[in-house]
Amino acid sequence: DAGVIQSPRHEVTEMGQEVTLRCKPISGHNSLFWYRQTMMRGLELLIYFNNNVPIDDSGMPEDRFSAKMPNASFSTLKIQPSEPRDSAVYFCASSLGGGEKLFFGSGTQLSVL
Amino acid sequence: GENVEQHPSTLSVQEGDSAVIKCTYSDSASNYFPWYKQELGKRPQLIIDIRSNVGEKKDQRIAVTLNKTAKHFSLHITETQPEDSAVYFCAGDGGYNKLIFGAGTRLAVHP
Repeated sequence: DAGVIQSPRHEVTEMGQEVTLRCKPISGHNSLFWYRQTMMRGLELLIYFNNNVPIDDSGMPEDRFSAKMPNASFSTLKIQPSEPRDSAVYFCASSLGGGEKLFFGSGTQLSVL
Repeated sequence: GENVEQHPSTLSVQEGDSAVIKCTYSDSASNYFPWYKQELGKRPQLIIDIRSNVGEKKDQRIAVTLNKTAKHFSLHITETQPEDSAVYFCAGDGGYNKLIFGAGTRLAVHP
Protein backbone atom coordinates (compact mmCIF):
# COMPACT_ATOMS: atom_id res chain seq x y z
CA ASP A 1 0.00 0.00 0.00
CA ALA A 2 1.24 3.49 -0.83
CA GLY A 3 0.11 4.87 2.49
CA VAL A 4 -1.94 8.01 2.98
CA ILE A 5 -1.58 10.24 -0.07
CA GLN A 6 -2.00 14.00 0.14
CA SER A 7 -1.91 16.59 -2.59
CA PRO A 8 -0.56 19.06 -3.30
CA ARG A 9 2.70 18.85 -1.29
CA HIS A 10 3.10 22.60 -1.40
CA GLU A 11 0.58 25.33 -2.05
CA VAL A 12 1.30 29.03 -2.28
CA THR A 13 -1.67 31.30 -2.73
CA GLU A 14 -2.77 34.85 -2.18
CA MET A 15 -5.07 36.01 0.56
CA GLY A 16 -8.70 35.66 -0.43
CA GLN A 17 -8.20 32.74 -2.77
CA GLU A 18 -9.87 29.36 -2.35
CA VAL A 19 -7.61 26.48 -1.35
CA THR A 20 -8.49 22.79 -1.65
CA LEU A 21 -6.38 20.11 -0.02
CA ARG A 22 -6.86 16.47 -0.96
CA CYS A 23 -6.37 13.18 0.82
CA LYS A 24 -6.58 9.52 -0.12
CA PRO A 25 -6.60 7.28 2.99
CA ILE A 26 -5.16 3.79 3.18
CA SER A 27 -7.50 1.29 1.59
CA GLY A 28 -9.63 -0.42 4.21
CA HIS A 29 -9.21 2.30 6.82
CA ASN A 30 -12.52 3.52 8.22
CA SER A 31 -11.43 6.67 10.06
CA LEU A 32 -9.90 9.81 8.58
CA PHE A 33 -8.50 12.81 10.41
CA TRP A 34 -7.40 16.30 9.34
CA TYR A 35 -4.74 17.96 11.52
CA ARG A 36 -3.05 21.35 11.23
CA GLN A 37 0.51 21.86 12.49
CA THR A 38 2.09 25.21 13.38
CA MET A 39 4.98 26.15 15.63
CA MET A 40 2.68 28.12 17.91
CA ARG A 41 -0.21 25.69 18.25
CA GLY A 42 1.37 22.30 17.53
CA LEU A 43 -0.80 19.53 16.07
CA GLU A 44 -4.45 20.56 16.16
CA LEU A 45 -7.28 18.20 15.26
CA LEU A 46 -9.62 19.95 12.82
CA ILE A 47 -12.15 17.25 11.99
CA TYR A 48 -12.50 13.52 11.84
CA PHE A 49 -14.69 11.14 9.86
CA ASN A 50 -15.78 7.62 10.59
CA ASN A 51 -17.16 5.59 7.67
CA ASN A 52 -17.28 8.81 5.60
CA VAL A 53 -19.46 10.58 8.19
CA PRO A 54 -18.12 13.65 10.02
CA ILE A 55 -18.06 12.75 13.72
CA ASP A 56 -16.46 15.79 15.30
CA ASP A 57 -15.70 19.11 13.61
CA SER A 58 -15.26 21.13 16.80
CA GLY A 59 -11.66 21.85 15.84
CA MET A 60 -12.54 23.61 12.58
CA PRO A 61 -11.43 27.18 13.27
CA GLU A 62 -14.24 29.04 11.52
CA ASP A 63 -16.79 28.93 8.73
CA ARG A 64 -14.09 29.53 6.15
CA PHE A 65 -13.04 25.91 6.65
CA SER A 66 -15.05 22.97 5.34
CA ALA A 67 -14.30 19.28 4.85
CA LYS A 68 -15.98 16.52 2.91
CA MET A 69 -15.57 12.81 2.45
CA PRO A 70 -17.76 11.78 -0.49
CA ASN A 71 -16.47 8.18 -0.45
CA ALA A 72 -14.14 5.89 1.46
CA SER A 73 -11.12 6.74 -0.69
CA PHE A 74 -11.19 10.53 -0.87
CA SER A 75 -11.48 13.57 1.37
CA THR A 76 -11.04 17.30 0.85
CA LEU A 77 -10.36 20.21 3.15
CA LYS A 78 -11.33 23.57 1.70
CA ILE A 79 -10.48 27.06 2.90
CA GLN A 80 -12.47 29.90 1.37
CA PRO A 81 -11.38 32.66 1.55
CA SER A 82 -7.84 31.94 2.72
CA GLU A 83 -5.96 34.24 5.10
CA PRO A 84 -2.25 34.53 5.99
CA ARG A 85 -2.90 33.03 9.44
CA ASP A 86 -4.01 29.82 7.72
CA SER A 87 -0.40 29.19 6.71
CA ALA A 88 0.59 25.83 8.21
CA VAL A 89 1.24 22.20 7.38
CA TYR A 90 -2.01 20.30 6.99
CA PHE A 91 -1.85 16.57 7.65
CA CYS A 92 -4.37 13.92 6.80
CA ALA A 93 -4.26 10.65 8.74
CA SER A 94 -6.25 7.43 8.59
CA SER A 95 -6.78 4.40 10.81
CA LEU A 96 -8.63 1.13 10.84
CA GLY A 97 -11.01 2.62 13.35
CA GLY A 98 -10.96 5.48 15.79
CA GLY A 99 -7.87 7.19 17.10
CA GLU A 100 -5.61 4.16 17.39
CA LYS A 101 -2.53 3.68 15.23
CA LEU A 102 -2.93 6.66 12.94
CA PHE A 103 -0.99 6.71 9.69
CA PHE A 104 -0.16 10.21 8.53
CA GLY A 105 0.25 11.50 5.01
CA SER A 106 3.23 13.61 3.98
CA GLY A 107 1.30 16.80 4.60
CA THR A 108 0.52 19.91 2.55
CA GLN A 109 2.64 22.97 3.26
CA LEU A 110 0.27 25.91 2.77
CA SER A 111 1.53 29.46 2.48
CA VAL A 112 -1.02 32.25 2.17
CA LEU A 113 0.58 35.55 1.15
CA GLY B 1 -12.37 17.80 26.62
CA GLU B 2 -8.94 16.25 26.83
CA ASN B 3 -5.88 18.40 27.50
CA VAL B 4 -2.39 16.91 27.20
CA GLU B 5 0.66 18.66 28.60
CA GLN B 6 4.16 17.56 27.70
CA HIS B 7 7.58 18.41 29.10
CA PRO B 8 10.33 19.23 28.63
CA SER B 9 9.92 21.17 25.40
CA THR B 10 13.57 20.54 24.51
CA LEU B 11 15.96 17.84 25.67
CA SER B 12 19.63 17.46 24.88
CA VAL B 13 21.55 14.26 25.72
CA GLN B 14 24.83 12.62 24.88
CA GLU B 15 24.80 9.55 22.69
CA GLY B 16 24.35 6.45 24.86
CA ASP B 17 22.49 8.28 27.63
CA SER B 18 18.82 7.78 28.43
CA ALA B 19 16.06 10.26 27.64
CA VAL B 20 12.73 10.62 29.44
CA ILE B 21 9.75 12.66 28.26
CA LYS B 22 6.69 13.10 30.44
CA CYS B 23 3.05 13.87 29.71
CA THR B 24 0.01 14.52 31.83
CA TYR B 25 -3.60 14.35 30.71
CA SER B 26 -6.83 15.74 32.09
CA ASP B 27 -9.64 13.44 31.02
CA SER B 28 -9.97 10.32 33.16
CA ALA B 29 -11.98 8.75 30.32
CA SER B 30 -8.83 8.54 28.17
CA ASN B 31 -7.69 4.97 27.67
CA TYR B 32 -5.23 5.07 24.78
CA PHE B 33 -1.85 6.84 24.84
CA PRO B 34 0.43 6.76 21.80
CA TRP B 35 3.80 8.35 21.13
CA TYR B 36 4.75 9.71 17.72
CA LYS B 37 8.15 10.66 16.36
CA GLN B 38 8.50 13.40 13.76
CA GLU B 39 11.80 13.95 12.00
CA LEU B 40 12.49 17.32 10.45
CA GLY B 41 10.24 17.91 7.45
CA LYS B 42 8.60 14.50 7.74
CA ARG B 43 5.27 13.12 8.88
CA PRO B 44 4.59 12.00 12.48
CA GLN B 45 5.03 8.24 12.86
CA LEU B 46 3.78 6.01 15.65
CA ILE B 47 6.62 4.49 17.67
CA ILE B 48 4.81 2.93 20.64
CA ASP B 49 1.41 3.03 22.30
CA ILE B 50 -0.19 1.84 25.52
CA ARG B 51 -3.70 1.20 26.68
CA SER B 52 -5.01 2.05 30.12
CA ASN B 53 -5.20 -1.55 31.32
CA VAL B 54 -1.40 -1.86 31.02
CA GLY B 55 1.17 -0.14 33.22
CA GLU B 56 4.24 -0.54 31.05
CA LYS B 57 5.17 -1.56 27.53
CA LYS B 58 8.59 -2.05 26.01
CA ASP B 59 9.90 -2.30 22.45
CA GLN B 60 13.68 -2.69 22.20
CA ARG B 61 15.19 0.63 23.40
CA ILE B 62 11.83 2.33 23.86
CA ALA B 63 9.43 1.94 26.78
CA VAL B 64 6.28 3.70 27.93
CA THR B 65 4.92 3.76 31.47
CA LEU B 66 1.43 4.80 32.53
CA ASN B 67 0.11 5.90 35.91
CA LYS B 68 -3.66 6.22 35.57
CA THR B 69 -4.15 7.38 39.13
CA ALA B 70 -1.84 10.31 38.63
CA LYS B 71 -2.88 10.77 34.98
CA HIS B 72 0.61 10.78 33.61
CA PHE B 73 2.64 8.69 31.21
CA SER B 74 6.25 8.76 30.12
CA LEU B 75 8.46 7.75 27.20
CA HIS B 76 11.85 6.26 28.00
CA ILE B 77 14.58 5.88 25.39
CA THR B 78 17.70 4.02 26.44
CA GLU B 79 21.12 3.99 24.75
CA THR B 80 20.19 6.99 22.63
CA GLN B 81 21.63 7.31 19.13
CA PRO B 82 21.91 10.34 16.82
CA GLU B 83 19.06 8.98 14.70
CA ASP B 84 16.77 9.33 17.73
CA SER B 85 17.01 13.11 17.26
CA ALA B 86 13.49 14.30 16.39
CA VAL B 87 10.37 15.86 17.88
CA TYR B 88 8.36 13.45 20.00
CA PHE B 89 4.63 13.90 20.61
CA CYS B 90 2.47 12.22 23.21
CA ALA B 91 -1.30 12.03 22.84
CA GLY B 92 -4.45 10.96 24.63
CA ASP B 93 -7.77 9.92 23.13
CA GLY B 94 -10.08 11.54 25.65
CA GLY B 95 -12.25 8.42 25.46
CA TYR B 96 -13.75 9.64 22.21
CA ASN B 97 -11.51 8.06 19.59
CA LYS B 98 -9.87 11.34 18.66
CA LEU B 99 -6.22 11.97 19.47
CA ILE B 100 -5.27 15.18 21.25
CA PHE B 101 -1.52 15.79 21.03
CA GLY B 102 0.90 17.38 23.45
CA ALA B 103 3.04 20.30 22.31
CA GLY B 104 6.04 18.11 21.50
CA THR B 105 9.58 17.61 22.81
CA ARG B 106 12.56 18.35 20.61
CA LEU B 107 15.21 15.72 21.42
CA ALA B 108 18.80 16.28 20.32
CA VAL B 109 21.28 13.42 20.70
CA HIS B 110 24.88 14.59 20.43
CA PRO B 111 27.62 12.18 19.28
